[in-house]
Amino acid sequence: GENVEQHPSTLSVQEGDSAVIKCTYSDSASNYFPWYKQELGKRPQLIIDIRSNVGEKKDQRIAVTLNKTAKHFSLHITETQPEDSAVYFCAASPPWGAGNKLTFGGGTRVLVKP
Amino acid sequence: EAQVTQNPRYLITVTGKKLTVTCSQNMNHEYMSWYRQDPGLGLRQIYYSMNVEVTDKGDVPEGYKVSRKEKRNFPLILESPSPNQTSLYFCASSGLGRAGYTFGSGTRLTVV
Repeated sequence: GENVEQHPSTLSVQEGDSAVIKCTYSDSASNYFPWYKQELGKRPQLIIDIRSNVGEKKDQRIAVTLNKTAKHFSLHITETQPEDSAVYFCAASPPWGAGNKLTFGGGTRVLVKP
Repeated sequence: EAQVTQNPRYLITVTGKKLTVTCSQNMNHEYMSWYRQDPGLGLRQIYYSMNVEVTDKGDVPEGYKVSRKEKRNFPLILESPSPNQTSLYFCASSGLGRAGYTFGSGTRLTVV
């Protein structure tokens, strides 16, 4: 089955700096890669996703890149703000017909220091 | 409002006492899934369902049961809970085309 590894497990950045979280996946059939943000005591919420036919996607201060050949994808947060402090999870999923199963990485705890 | 509703939010129970955590979604989603979240282990899938009467095991199905008799509901059943099932549980759903999972608010279960 799919295995997703996520690094780093914790990340501390100064407000205004950039944060980068990296994930690798094992199953070359995976074609959907979402990122979730989980604030303390809350549910995970989708912040951005990318499909395997796209190399990069941006949404304001957040961007995700995908390298299918190397089987890795990354989340980039620019101009970090205190409200970006949370745990971030990457995930990978096979095509719908194979079960739509999301396999999650272990999470990255991001702390943005004012 | 589109949402996934889980109940209860908190539950403390004793070893061996059967319990059910309910999950309901109002988005007509085909796909529903249960995850447990443990410190350092991330989110691990317990069971999932592609549609009514279609369920399958995830990565950690031991000790759990599910059913999908109606499209909107996907209860998680612990027939004989044990302390190692103490965890935070999330139900999630998504529709065809996958705009991503929508998660419920979570159920924090403690088995003593």
